[in-house]
Amino acid sequence: QVQLVESGGGVVQPGRSLRLSCAASGFTFSTYGMHWVRQAPGKGLEWVAVVSYDGSDKYYADSVKGRFTISRDNSKNTLYLQMNSLRAEDTAVYYCAKTYSSGSLADAFDIWGQGTMVTVSS
Amino acid sequence: SYELTQPPSVSVSPGQTASITCSGAKLGDKYAYWYQQKPGQSPVLVIYHDSKRPSGIPERFSGSNSGNTATLTISGTQAMDEADYYCQAWDSSTAVFGGGTKLTVL
Repeated sequence: QVQLVESGGGVVQPGRSLRLSCAASGFTFSTYGMHWVRQAPGKGLEWVAVVSYDGSDKYYADSVKGRFTISRDNSKNTLYLQMNSLRAEDTAVYYCAKTYSSGSLADAFDIWGQGTMVTVSS
Repeated sequence: SYELTQPPSVSVSPGQTASITCSGAKLGDKYAYWYQQKPGQSPVLVIYHDSKRPSGIPERFSGSNSGNTATLTISGTQAMDEADYYCQAWDSSTAVFGGGTKLTVL
């Protein structure tokens, strides 16, 4: 079945870095845009970034631009989020999500992972 | 930056119709999407392209989008529909979520 499994979360000090991974299975990963969406404790959903099916196009939320980098390895069916210069306000559950339509970036998020928790604290 | 506004909470009696609104500038010119999130779970897509239901989503879920407002309607609301609901749209290659609406079935 279609599945996304995130990993790499944990506790990190402010200013440090962390890399999240999202392993995809059950669909042709290389044909879909992929996203990261986060949710701070007790708060709503916040879109973080998107990467096109081939990795050539990337867009970011203003809150993470210049600090976070989204990437993918289609040979490994894996999505990544490199997070640098982390701040307390980056504390959240990070979900990876698949774009509904093949080849598109700006569409629904039809499949979500279970999320991985990132806590930025000294 | 683009903003979507939802009511923080909506209450409905079992079997009745619940309507959750989402407001944004010229939202009707964009596609609206709706997600359901139950406590401790990942979000689930319930409406895409304003009014389409993904496979597996019950027929009681419907959507509309016109002018500045998109609406998620749940007909014959059941206890299992109690959850947080988020609207979402795209603006200039950026995805925007509404603040979420807590639907209480009582």
